[in-house]
Amino acid sequence: DSGVTQTPKHLITATGQRVTLRCSPRSGDLSVYWYQQSLDQGLQFLIQYYNGEERAKGNILERFSAQQFPDLHSELNLSSLELGDSALYFCASSVRSSQAMNTEAFFGQGTRLTVV
Amino acid sequence: DAKTTQPNSMESNEEEPVHLPCNHSTISGTDYIHWYRQLPSQGPEYVIHGLTSNVNNRMASLAIAEDRKSSTLILHRATLRDAAVYYCILNNNAGNMLTFGGGTRLMVKP
Repeated sequence: DSGVTQTPKHLITATGQRVTLRCSPRSGDLSVYWYQQSLDQGLQFLIQYYNGEERAKGNILERFSAQQFPDLHSELNLSSLELGDSALYFCASSVRSSQAMNTEAFFGQGTRLTVV
Repeated sequence: DAKTTQPNSMESNEEEPVHLPCNHSTISGTDYIHWYRQLPSQGPEYVIHGLTSNVNNRMASLAIAEDRKSSTLILHRATLRDAAVYYCILNNNAGNMLTFGGGTRLMVKP
């Protein structure tokens, strides 16, 4: 158990809909990262938050957004869903400070999103 | 970002050592070498990381070449539970995110 909790584990929804994926990081971890894993693209970094603020952006679509709340949990919002958005979405957390930036990241079990 | 090159797949026999290679010829002085693995239907899991010196932990050993242009993850006794995709990743201080490549799919035969 990595200590990172993602809900829901599975989600099936129709095209055009909007969903919210939730992530609770390990206790004490200030950074949250979101990744997308599809069969043809592998693991792709989407976005990072650190202590409530957006820190880095990857290949995240404009239809997707995220936020990190004061209690450090994070939500990834996916809207106007398309068939191609079907994938595994992973959240990871890590301790990050200016002196300890190379630390291990802990991943959740992922949310499997199926768009039909 | 500096890139890594790994074999697509490798096979091993159970209870034998496994050496998983990774080439990173464009590595910079501030790049740490990280290894993660992903078991079937699970999220990636940290294995080990290092900068210049060889590293050991309870899961594996990391051998880093003197010029740092390659590294090898060593599993001392492979078990069936070690069957996974192993990712070699270079991580520097810019953002701390991980950039995953294709990894090596390790198959362990009983």
